[in-house]
Amino acid sequence: DAKTTQPNSMESNEEEPVHLPCNHSTISGTDYIHWYRQLPSQGPEYVIHGLTSNVNNRMASLAIAEDRKSSTLILHRATLRDAAVYYCILRNFGNEKLTFGTGTRLTIIP
Amino acid sequence: GAVVSQHPSWVICKSGTSVKIECRSLDFQATTMFWYRQFPKQSLMLMATSNEGSKATYEQGVEKDKFLINHASLTLSTLTVTSAHPEDSSFYICSARTRTSGTTNEQFFGPGTRLTVL
Repeated sequence: DAKTTQPNSMESNEEEPVHLPCNHSTISGTDYIHWYRQLPSQGPEYVIHGLTSNVNNRMASLAIAEDRKSSTLILHRATLRDAAVYYCILRNFGNEKLTFGTGTRLTIIP
Repeated sequence: GAVVSQHPSWVICKSGTSVKIECRSLDFQATTMFWYRQFPKQSLMLMATSNEGSKATYEQGVEKDKFLINHASLTLSTLTVTSAHPEDSSFYICSARTRTSGTTNEQFFGPGTRLTVL
């Protein structure tokens, strides 16, 4: 699977939107973009995924660049419970494995 | 729905003993289960993939005789760390994938098991 690049850490104020970037310049046409997050001392949880179009769900929105070489996870109104490590993962269609990178540690400031 | 549990949540053992960790899908049938290991302040590293009724597939560098994986049913997989040593101390996390995961490939993760080997 192609590699992703994320900032090591980010901070955001509570109740404000958060934009978490992910670069994946070597993405192939059959790579899905997945986002998972891991709260402290817990297993990861699924956040959202997409292929080409922007996606929304109850947790977040995923904005995918037109050339698919980057994407942004958007938390519309951050709460303290959103403090976690966020992982952007590319998964090729047909490959069921997830390869976790180092992720972005998001800190929410009250 | 889609809850995965792990037992125990933490375990401390003496060097040389074996430890078994259970991973259960509580409300769905898991066609595939995955085992990960996470050292402090590091990312998750996939150890192995197991399908019900068949042998696990181990990632490169993971000793299959040391980390025994059994996936006896569609709701239970076990990881046994044999002859544990202090360097095996880590956070072990399982995940499960359902028949209906499809293109989502959503994996449901357990809460993890913290193993400390003295």
